[in-house]
Amino acid sequence: GQNIDQPTEMTATEGAIVQINCTYQTSGFNGLFWYQQHAGEAPTFLSYNVLDGLEEKGRFSSFLSRSKGYSYLLLKELQMKDSASYLCAAFSGGYNKLIFGAGTRLAVHP
Amino acid sequence: DTEVTQTPKHLVMGMTNKKSLKCEQHMGHRAMYWYKQKAKKPPELMFVYSYEKLSINESVPSRFSPECPNSSLLNLHLHALQPEDSALYLCASSHQSGTTEAFFGQGTRLTVV
Repeated sequence: GQNIDQPTEMTATEGAIVQINCTYQTSGFNGLFWYQQHAGEAPTFLSYNVLDGLEEKGRFSSFLSRSKGYSYLLLKELQMKDSASYLCAAFSGGYNKLIFGAGTRLAVHP
Repeated sequence: DTEVTQTPKHLVMGMTNKKSLKCEQHMGHRAMYWYKQKAKKPPELMFVYSYEKLSINESVPSRFSPECPNSSLLNLHLHALQPEDSALYLCASSHQSGTTEAFFGQGTRLTVV
């Protein structure tokens, strides 16, 4: 079966660092995506990991451990505009499916 | 061009109406998806097309009928919908190999009255 878990809500302070964790169990795993979604808008791509390790993109970094079924998204120098939902999604290449976790709503406070 | 274009952006329809949602991409992607998203919930996969053929139907009711006329277009035909079908309908596309991200359109906000 497919199962993706991430915290429901997180809060953080402007300028701080926050880590959003995601654990997954999926057959035919072929990559882990992170998307950002503001209320009422479509998801926008943040990062993609297929191999173990850390991928860095400006203020955002994502980590993957395939053996542990674990990923995290690290957001640095938080800004108010980073308040959004962050969706962890696993790509099941065998079935050509991109399955989303429930999302983590991040609130950034001054 | 890294856009997925969906039309219309908003749609209000009665339960006896027939309407269609349209999605277009010109990135050469051969996998296209329909997702349904309710408020404060993650996108739920409905259909996957691979090389213009339906590869996955996530047990979606027959009042939703997908169609892929060619590699750039994806339609979702709607008929006899229920108020609970009101949601944001998202189209996405990706390379068949799944080695890059899926790009999402801006969605169609559907209200069934």
